[in-house]
Amino acid sequence: DAKTTQPPSMDCAEGRAANLPCNHSTISGNEYVYWYRQIHSQGPQYIIHGLKNNETNEMASLIITEDRKSSTLILPHATLRDTAVYYCIVRVNYMDTGRRALTFGSGTRLQVQP
Amino acid sequence: ETGVTQTPRHLVMGMTNKKSLKCEQHLGHNAMYWYKQSAKKPLELMFVYNFKEQTENNSVPSRFSPECPNSSHLFLHLHTLQPEDSALYLCASSQGRLAGFETQYFGPGTRLLVL
Repeated sequence: DAKTTQPPSMDCAEGRAANLPCNHSTISGNEYVYWYRQIHSQGPQYIIHGLKNNETNEMASLIITEDRKSSTLILPHATLRDTAVYYCIVRVNYMDTGRRALTFGSGTRLQVQP
Repeated sequence: ETGVTQTPRHLVMGMTNKKSLKCEQHLGHNAMYWYKQSAKKPLELMFVYNFKEQTENNSVPSRFSPECPNSSHLFLHLHTLQPEDSALYLCASSQGRLAGFETQYFGPGTRLLVL
């Protein structure tokens, strides 16, 4: 699976958009970009995933650059409950590897300030 | 609530004790996972089970022994652990179908302290 690079920490004001970057310059064509988050002392929670196109769901938007070497997770109106560690994970389709496990890095610790 | 429960939530054990962690999923999934999260380290995979068969083992020491009696339950049996095994142990599940993408749903974890 391709390696990802994320800033170790970010701050965001409550009510503002939080833009979390992820660099995955060695991503290959069949690798997906996933985002999970982990609120303190809880299990990780799935947020969103994408391959090439930008994606949006009720939690967030995922913007993937045209060359797919980086992506940004956008929380449009951050709240205090969005304070968490956000993990960007790049991995291939299960059908290509037979591996289901996720490989977590260190993530970005997002602190939403009141 | 993610539909994945773990018991106990907290556990303190001595190095000579034997204990078990339990995970149960109420999502109708067929794949279950154990992950370990040590302080200031990324989550790391321990085991994967799919349709009750172990499919991935991340070179975990034999003092950790998983058991998957059915698709809804997963156990992690612990014996003669070391203090460095103190960590948050997370269980997850996913559909386990032959599909490209599966969301993994995590339980709240068991925080283990080995004295």
